Amino acid sequence: KAGVTQTPRYLIKTRGQQVTLSCSPISGHRSVSWYQQTPGQGLQFLFEYFSETQRNKGNFPGRFSGRQFSNSRSEMNVSTLELGDSALYLCASSLAVTGAGETQYFGPGTRLLVL
Amino acid sequence: TQLLEQSPQFLSIQEGENLTVYCNSSSVFSSLQWYRQEPGEGPVLLVTVVTGGEVKKLKRLTFQFGDARKDSSLHITAAQPGDTGLYLCAGEAGNTGKLIFGQGTTLQVKP
Repeated sequence: KAGVTQTPRYLIKTRGQQVTLSCSPISGHRSVSWYQQTPGQGLQFLFEYFSETQRNKGNFPGRFSGRQFSNSRSEMNVSTLELGDSALYLCASSLAVTGAGETQYFGPGTRLLVL
Repeated sequence: TQLLEQSPQFLSIQEGENLTVYCNSSSVFSSLQWYRQEPGEGPVLLVTVVTGGEVKKLKRLTFQFGDARKDSSLHITAAQPGDTGLYLCAGEAGNTGKLIFGQGTTLQVKP
Protein backbone atom coordinates (compact mmCIF):
# COMPACT_ATOMS: atom_id res chain seq x y z
CA LYS A 1 0.00 0.00 0.00
CA ALA A 2 1.43 3.38 -0.99
CA GLY A 3 2.17 5.81 1.80
CA VAL A 4 1.22 9.45 2.16
CA THR A 5 2.56 11.50 -0.72
CA GLN A 6 3.20 15.21 -0.71
CA THR A 7 3.98 17.49 -3.62
CA PRO A 8 6.10 19.34 -4.27
CA ARG A 9 8.92 18.17 -2.02
CA TYR A 10 10.81 21.45 -2.20
CA LEU A 11 9.65 24.96 -2.95
CA ILE A 12 11.24 28.40 -3.00
CA LYS A 13 9.02 31.47 -2.90
CA THR A 14 9.48 35.15 -2.20
CA ARG A 15 7.76 37.27 0.42
CA GLY A 16 4.23 38.27 -0.49
CA GLN A 17 3.62 35.35 -2.81
CA GLN A 18 1.18 32.57 -2.11
CA VAL A 19 1.74 28.83 -2.22
CA THR A 20 -0.38 25.70 -2.47
CA LEU A 21 0.82 22.36 -1.13
CA SER A 22 -0.78 19.04 -1.94
CA CYS A 23 -1.23 15.85 0.07
CA SER A 24 -2.54 12.47 -1.08
CA PRO A 25 -3.45 10.24 1.88
CA ILE A 26 -3.10 6.51 2.11
CA SER A 27 -5.86 4.82 0.12
CA GLY A 28 -8.95 4.45 2.30
CA HIS A 29 -7.88 7.08 4.81
CA ARG A 30 -10.42 9.85 5.25
CA SER A 31 -8.69 12.14 7.70
CA VAL A 32 -5.85 14.46 6.76
CA SER A 33 -3.96 16.67 9.19
CA TRP A 34 -1.37 19.31 8.44
CA TYR A 35 1.57 20.32 10.61
CA GLN A 36 4.33 22.93 10.40
CA GLN A 37 7.81 21.96 11.61
CA THR A 38 10.50 24.55 12.32
CA PRO A 39 13.72 24.32 14.35
CA GLY A 40 12.48 26.95 16.77
CA GLN A 41 8.87 25.95 17.32
CA GLY A 42 9.03 22.24 16.56
CA LEU A 43 5.98 20.50 15.15
CA GLN A 44 2.78 22.52 15.36
CA PHE A 45 -0.71 21.45 14.38
CA LEU A 46 -2.30 23.49 11.59
CA PHE A 47 -5.64 21.83 10.86
CA GLU A 48 -7.43 18.54 10.29
CA TYR A 49 -9.94 17.64 7.61
CA PHE A 50 -12.35 14.74 7.60
CA SER A 51 -14.90 14.09 4.88
CA GLU A 52 -14.19 17.47 3.31
CA THR A 53 -14.90 19.33 6.57
CA GLN A 54 -12.39 21.09 8.77
CA ARG A 55 -12.60 19.35 12.11
CA ASN A 56 -9.86 21.05 14.07
CA LYS A 57 -7.72 24.13 13.70
CA GLY A 58 -4.49 25.18 15.36
CA ASN A 59 -3.34 28.66 16.34
CA PHE A 60 -2.23 29.98 13.00
CA PRO A 61 -3.30 33.20 11.23
CA GLY A 62 -5.96 33.20 8.57
CA ARG A 63 -3.28 33.30 5.86
CA PHE A 64 -3.10 29.53 6.37
CA SER A 65 -6.04 27.69 4.89
CA GLY A 66 -6.83 24.26 3.60
CA ARG A 67 -9.41 22.11 1.97
CA GLN A 68 -10.15 18.47 1.33
CA PHE A 69 -11.62 16.96 -1.78
CA SER A 70 -14.13 14.13 -2.13
CA ASN A 71 -11.29 11.67 -2.83
CA SER A 72 -9.72 12.71 0.53
CA ARG A 73 -6.81 14.49 -1.13
CA SER A 74 -6.03 17.73 0.63
CA GLU A 75 -4.39 21.03 -0.18
CA MET A 76 -3.14 23.76 2.07
CA ASN A 77 -2.61 27.32 0.97
CA VAL A 78 -0.51 30.05 2.50
CA SER A 79 -1.13 33.56 1.24
CA THR A 80 1.08 36.63 1.57
CA LEU A 81 4.12 34.59 2.51
CA GLU A 82 6.42 35.83 5.27
CA LEU A 83 10.02 34.85 5.96
CA GLY A 84 8.85 33.06 9.10
CA ASP A 85 6.72 30.70 7.02
CA SER A 86 9.87 28.89 5.93
CA ALA A 87 9.38 25.41 7.32
CA LEU A 88 8.77 21.75 6.64
CA TYR A 89 5.05 21.22 6.11
CA LEU A 90 3.93 17.74 7.00
CA CYS A 91 0.71 16.00 6.12
CA ALA A 92 -0.59 13.00 8.04
CA SER A 93 -3.48 10.71 7.23
CA SER A 94 -5.55 8.32 9.32
CA LEU A 95 -8.46 5.99 8.71
CA ALA A 96 -10.86 7.89 10.92
CA VAL A 97 -10.87 11.16 12.79
CA THR A 98 -7.84 11.53 15.01
CA GLY A 99 -8.41 10.82 18.64
CA ALA A 100 -8.46 7.88 21.05
CA GLY A 101 -5.06 6.85 19.80
CA GLU A 102 -5.97 6.70 16.11
CA THR A 103 -2.69 6.20 14.24
CA GLN A 104 -1.55 8.97 11.93
CA TYR A 105 0.83 8.23 9.08
CA PHE A 106 3.05 11.09 8.02
CA GLY A 107 4.24 11.98 4.56
CA PRO A 108 7.82 13.10 3.84
CA GLY A 109 6.86 16.78 3.92
CA THR A 110 7.22 19.79 1.67
CA ARG A 111 10.16 22.01 2.51
CA LEU A 112 9.23 25.63 1.85
CA LEU A 113 11.83 28.37 1.76
CA VAL A 114 10.63 31.97 1.67
CA LEU A 115 13.19 34.53 0.52
CA THR B 1 -2.11 26.04 26.66
CA GLN B 2 -0.89 22.48 26.96
CA LEU B 3 2.86 22.08 26.56
CA LEU B 4 5.16 19.09 26.41
CA GLU B 5 8.74 19.56 27.54
CA GLN B 6 11.25 17.06 26.21
CA SER B 7 14.69 16.50 27.67
CA PRO B 8 17.42 16.34 26.80
CA GLN B 9 17.26 18.23 23.51
CA PHE B 10 20.46 16.68 22.22
CA LEU B 11 22.18 13.43 23.09
CA SER B 12 25.38 12.03 21.62
CA ILE B 13 26.43 8.62 22.91
CA GLN B 14 28.56 5.65 21.98
CA GLU B 15 27.12 2.44 20.60
CA GLY B 16 26.12 0.09 23.41
CA GLU B 17 25.21 2.77 25.94
CA ASN B 18 21.78 3.13 27.50
CA LEU B 19 19.74 6.34 27.45
CA THR B 20 16.46 7.80 28.62
CA VAL B 21 14.43 10.60 27.06
CA TYR B 22 11.80 12.38 29.12
CA CYS B 23 8.57 14.06 28.12
CA ASN B 24 6.87 16.14 30.82
CA SER B 25 3.80 18.31 31.12
CA SER B 26 1.64 19.92 33.78
CA SER B 27 -1.41 18.82 31.79
CA VAL B 28 -3.13 15.47 31.55
CA PHE B 29 -3.20 13.77 28.16
CA SER B 30 -5.68 11.11 27.07
CA SER B 31 -2.90 9.37 25.16
CA LEU B 32 0.73 9.91 24.38
CA GLN B 33 2.66 8.87 21.31
CA TRP B 34 6.35 8.55 20.52
CA TYR B 35 7.68 9.09 17.02
CA ARG B 36 11.07 8.85 15.35
CA GLN B 37 11.95 11.12 12.47
CA GLU B 38 14.91 10.73 10.16
CA PRO B 39 16.29 13.50 7.92
CA GLY B 40 14.16 14.10 4.85
CA GLU B 41 11.28 12.02 6.15
CA GLY B 42 8.15 12.48 8.19
CA PRO B 43 7.80 11.15 11.75
CA VAL B 44 7.07 7.45 12.12
CA LEU B 45 4.93 6.27 15.02
CA LEU B 46 6.76 4.00 17.46
CA VAL B 47 4.14 3.50 20.15
CA THR B 48 0.95 4.86 21.69
CA VAL B 49 0.36 4.67 25.44
CA VAL B 50 -3.09 5.26 26.82
CA THR B 51 -3.33 3.99 30.40
CA GLY B 52 -1.58 5.67 33.33
CA GLY B 53 1.38 3.54 34.44
CA GLU B 54 1.43 1.63 31.17
CA VAL B 55 4.74 0.17 30.02
CA LYS B 56 5.31 -0.95 26.43
CA LYS B 57 8.38 -2.57 24.95
CA LEU B 58 9.52 -2.51 21.36
CA LYS B 59 12.69 -4.60 21.08
CA ARG B 60 15.35 -2.49 22.89
CA LEU B 61 12.96 0.45 23.43
CA THR B 62 10.86 0.73 26.59
CA PHE B 63 8.10 3.33 26.86
CA GLN B 64 6.36 4.32 30.07
CA PHE B 65 3.32 6.54 30.65
CA GLY B 66 3.22 8.23 34.03
CA ASP B 67 0.55 7.25 36.54
CA ALA B 68 -1.07 10.68 36.28
CA ARG B 69 -0.81 10.67 32.46
CA LYS B 70 1.22 13.88 32.51
CA ASP B 71 4.61 12.48 31.60
CA SER B 72 6.32 9.72 29.69
CA SER B 73 9.77 8.29 29.15
CA LEU B 74 11.57 6.41 26.43
CA HIS B 75 14.47 4.18 27.43
CA ILE B 76 16.81 2.64 24.87
CA THR B 77 19.02 -0.22 25.91
CA ALA B 78 22.34 -0.87 24.15
CA ALA B 79 21.85 1.91 21.58
CA GLN B 80 22.93 1.25 18.01
CA PRO B 81 23.83 3.67 15.19
CA GLY B 82 20.52 2.80 13.55
CA ASP B 83 18.75 4.42 16.51
CA THR B 84 20.07 7.83 15.42
CA GLY B 85 17.29 10.30 14.71
CA LEU B 86 14.88 12.84 16.15
CA TYR B 87 12.58 11.42 18.82
CA LEU B 88 9.30 13.23 19.36
CA CYS B 89 6.64 12.77 21.98
CA ALA B 90 3.11 13.94 21.24
CA GLY B 91 0.11 14.15 23.51
CA GLU B 92 -3.50 14.15 22.49
CA ALA B 93 -5.33 17.11 24.00
CA GLY B 94 -8.49 15.70 25.58
CA ASN B 95 -10.24 13.64 22.91
CA THR B 96 -9.97 16.41 20.36
CA GLY B 97 -7.52 14.55 18.20
CA LYS B 98 -5.17 17.54 18.21
CA LEU B 99 -1.64 16.39 18.79
CA ILE B 100 0.70 18.59 20.80
CA PHE B 101 4.32 17.76 20.11
CA GLY B 102 7.38 18.16 22.30
CA GLN B 103 10.40 19.95 20.84
CA GLY B 104 12.13 16.68 20.17
CA THR B 105 15.34 14.96 21.23
CA THR B 106 18.08 14.60 18.63
CA LEU B 107 19.95 11.37 19.29
CA GLN B 108 23.28 10.52 17.73
CA VAL B 109 24.73 7.08 18.34
CA LYS B 110 28.36 6.82 17.32
CA PRO B 111 29.83 3.45 16.30
